[in-house]
Amino acid sequence: GENVEQHPSTLSVQEGDSAVIKCTYSDSASNYFPWYKQELGKRPQLIIDIRSNVGEKKDQRIAVTLNKTAKHFSLHITETQPEDSAVYFCAASKSSGNTGKLIFGQGTTLQVKP
Amino acid sequence: DSGVTQTPKHLITATGQRVTLRCSPRSGDLSVYWYQQSLDQGLQFLIQYYNGEERAKGNILERFSAQQFPDLHSELNLSSLELGDSALYFCASSLDRGRGYTFGSGTRLTVV
Repeated sequence: GENVEQHPSTLSVQEGDSAVIKCTYSDSASNYFPWYKQELGKRPQLIIDIRSNVGEKKDQRIAVTLNKTAKHFSLHITETQPEDSAVYFCAASKSSGNTGKLIFGQGTTLQVKP
Repeated sequence: DSGVTQTPKHLITATGQRVTLRCSPRSGDLSVYWYQQSLDQGLQFLIQYYNGEERAKGNILERFSAQQFPDLHSELNLSSLELGDSALYFCASSLDRGRGYTFGSGTRLTVV
């Protein structure tokens, strides 16, 4: 069935360092891969997304890469800041049919130490 | 404000009871998705409605049901509640097949 595996489950970095979170998806028909940031007690918020016809996308300090062959995609955060501390979720969906439901990874708790 | 409204924000109820969670999607969005987030857990997909019709079902218990009304708001009904049902329940809406998913602020359900 559809599954998204996310690693690591926790990540601690020093302020200014880079952070990388990796996800693997099982359904080769998946074609949309968003990343969400969830601060404690708040709703998940979309921070970046990538479609399957693109290998990489960047938005300021955040970038996402996609390897369709290996069914891997990754989130890269450079020059981390304390306010980047949160839980990050990757997700995958396919737009065939009339669904498009997102299947989420288990989340990565990122701690950025000042 | 994301434009997706969930009520109530908090709910405390006893085991065996029944509750209804409500979600109003962002204006123009036709799809509503329900997710359950237990403590230290990820977002588990429950069910999706599109323009009033059920479109996808996840790991939703038989004690749970949902519907989407003509005005596109949706309700998630949880019955015969158990302690393990305590969780944050999020709804999300989107216009087009999962893209531009926007989450509501969630309903925190505590079963005592």
